[in-house]
Amino acid sequence: GAGVSQSPSNKVTEKGKDVELRCDPISGHTALYWYRQRLGQGLEFLIYFQGNSAPDKSGLPSDRFSAERTGESVSTLTIQRTQQEDSAVYLCASSFRLAYEQYFGPGTRLTVT
Amino acid sequence: DAKTTQPTSMDCAEGRAANLPCNHSTISGNEYVYWYRQIHSQGPQYIIHGLKNNETNEMASLIITEDRKSSTLILPHATLRDTAVYYCIVRVDRNNDMRFGAGTRLTVKP
Repeated sequence: GAGVSQSPSNKVTEKGKDVELRCDPISGHTALYWYRQRLGQGLEFLIYFQGNSAPDKSGLPSDRFSAERTGESVSTLTIQRTQQEDSAVYLCASSFRLAYEQYFGPGTRLTVT
Repeated sequence: DAKTTQPTSMDCAEGRAANLPCNHSTISGNEYVYWYRQIHSQGPQYIIHGLKNNETNEMASLIITEDRKSSTLILPHATLRDTAVYYCIVRVDRNNDMRFGAGTRLTVKP
């Protein structure tokens, strides 16, 4: 079946612009997760959703980052006033329920110039 | 969640078994051992997980020591496509953020 999809696959933006990254989870998966991976580094957890609720937003790097999810479907990660340090691959994952194994999308490569 | 220690890199000959070790000496009784891998330019891929019994699936086997302080992921017949970074993670089943460390970069050579 269809896996997790993310769009765009690549995004180049100028410093100070806002960007919106999209994640389509596997159908029927109630939990959704966002991670960030800087070049040559490991994954950094950002936020998770159970349904459309995000109980813990403490992993978001700054108040320029926000995320929302519509029902048990699409999620968007928004970065306002992008900075060069935001350049990374942003990965989305979904799981059937919270704490089940996670299935990852291909990521969105964000480059802030 | 308990911290894990893995070798930075390993090589394996194609067709041979790849044995990837992981130390998790501070693991607690309710923490599971998970393995993921990340092939270059792709998102991480779930491989296997276990609590205390050895586990096997179509991708790999997971051997957990009796004291649960270490484990080994076994790819029985490594192929070139298994070249990836392999992450060992321990987490309480109800935790939702997985702490990925640096992992082991496995290179399968012809």
